[in-house]
Amino acid sequence: AQSVTQLDSHVSVSEGTPVLLRCNYSSSYSPSLFWYVQHPNKGLQLLLKYTSAATLVKGINGFEAEFKKSETSFHLTKPSAHMSDAAEYFCVVIPRNNNNDMRFGAGTRLTVKP
Amino acid sequence: DTGVSQNPRHKITKRGQNVTFRCDPISEHNRLYWYRQTLGQGPEFLTYFQNEAQLEKSRLLSDRFSAERPKGSFSTLEIQRTEQGDSAMYLCASSLGTSGGSFGTQYFGPGTRLLVL
Repeated sequence: AQSVTQLDSHVSVSEGTPVLLRCNYSSSYSPSLFWYVQHPNKGLQLLLKYTSAATLVKGINGFEAEFKKSETSFHLTKPSAHMSDAAEYFCVVIPRNNNNDMRFGAGTRLTVKP
Repeated sequence: DTGVSQNPRHKITKRGQNVTFRCDPISEHNRLYWYRQTLGQGPEFLTYFQNEAQLEKSRLLSDRFSAERPKGSFSTLEIQRTEQGDSAMYLCASSLGTSGGSFGTQYFGPGTRLLVL
């Protein structure tokens, strides 16, 4: 079985400071991992994905995530937060043996203070 | 806009009524997914189509729920005899899967928010 744990339900940062959204996964099979962002009244947007290539993955809007197998983590980071980054972020795991078993974490709400 | 579209965006209904939602995927995508998202939670998988064939259904999809994708393009999700517990955001996603088994990245629509009174 696989699952995703997002360690913080809410993260608040000041504009211009770094962002860290934490995600740990468990998977019986080598997983694919994703981060999606959900802005109010908009669809989920893919930020980045890891599918067994480079462990450091760069996404859109300056976000990146590092796959650490030893720590079973896939934390999302950004060097400098912008007001427009305020949204809900979801970490997602898909095991390699079942393309359709897409498991979402509970989400982390990011607030960016001016 | 060539993304995934969903209609209606909002639906308020009374308990016991039937409702139907529509999803139009990205045109070249052969795979279509339905998810349900309740407040404070991530989306949960409901069902999945490859072309017109419904290949997988979650145990969350009770017999009051039915989904179709008759021509392998748009899809409908119908809920019969709605209950208050059905209140949620219903999300549709599509992807381009390959014959080699690659599932492709899922692209999501804006969702239909259902409120059952």
